Amino acid sequence: DTAVSQTPKYLVTQMGNDKSIKCEQNLGHDTMYWYKQDSKKFLKIMFSYNNKELIINETVPNRFSPKSPDKAHLNLHINSLELGDSAVYFCASSLYGTDNSPLHFGNGTRLTVT
Amino acid sequence: KQEVTQIPAALSVPEGENLVLNCSFTDSAIYNLQWFRQDPGKGLTSLLLIQSSQREQTSGRLNASLDKSSGRSTLYIAASQPGDSATYLCAVRKAAGNKLTFGGGTRVLVKP
Repeated sequence: DTAVSQTPKYLVTQMGNDKSIKCEQNLGHDTMYWYKQDSKKFLKIMFSYNNKELIINETVPNRFSPKSPDKAHLNLHINSLELGDSAVYFCASSLYGTDNSPLHFGNGTRLTVT
Repeated sequence: KQEVTQIPAALSVPEGENLVLNCSFTDSAIYNLQWFRQDPGKGLTSLLLIQSSQREQTSGRLNASLDKSSGRSTLYIAASQPGDSATYLCAVRKAAGNKLTFGGGTRVLVKP
């Protein structure tokens, strides 16, 4: 009955590889997000999708490509991984246009690029 | 550009003491402010959300206040317990759109 679930929990890979992180929410929300938390614990938004449409793209390299097959899923594909991509990636969801709708977060995917 | 700051970065208190966590933001044009808790290796759990028109929100031992004009919010945790040990983050939502801007968090340790 997990609200926002993302897989895998841990991902260790080498530079240059391509990898994907999946996210699903069963809250009936229509907006989903990807956030990146760096080693200093700062959380920064990367993307936001509303009903499968991109609404926020925060100057993220083109190597990162989100895909939203439906409003309950938002996957993140990363090409040509670099050392600086190592971080914890969090998926979140909320109701768009509802200002009192809090964000619900998944448990994160710890990506380590070697 | 909105900037959110949380001071101190870390805080240690004995069990039973009240906790006071500070959050400041540079742009007062916000829709709402949200306080989260993050446990090690876990995601964020929403604690309280304060609308821009509200002055405070309460949930159990937690009380969050908002002073938009001065760009400040304070999270009070009464009678702290070891289980309150975690990192607490505040985040503000812009007046337009749904982007949340996070502070760097305050890491709290409550000693038994």
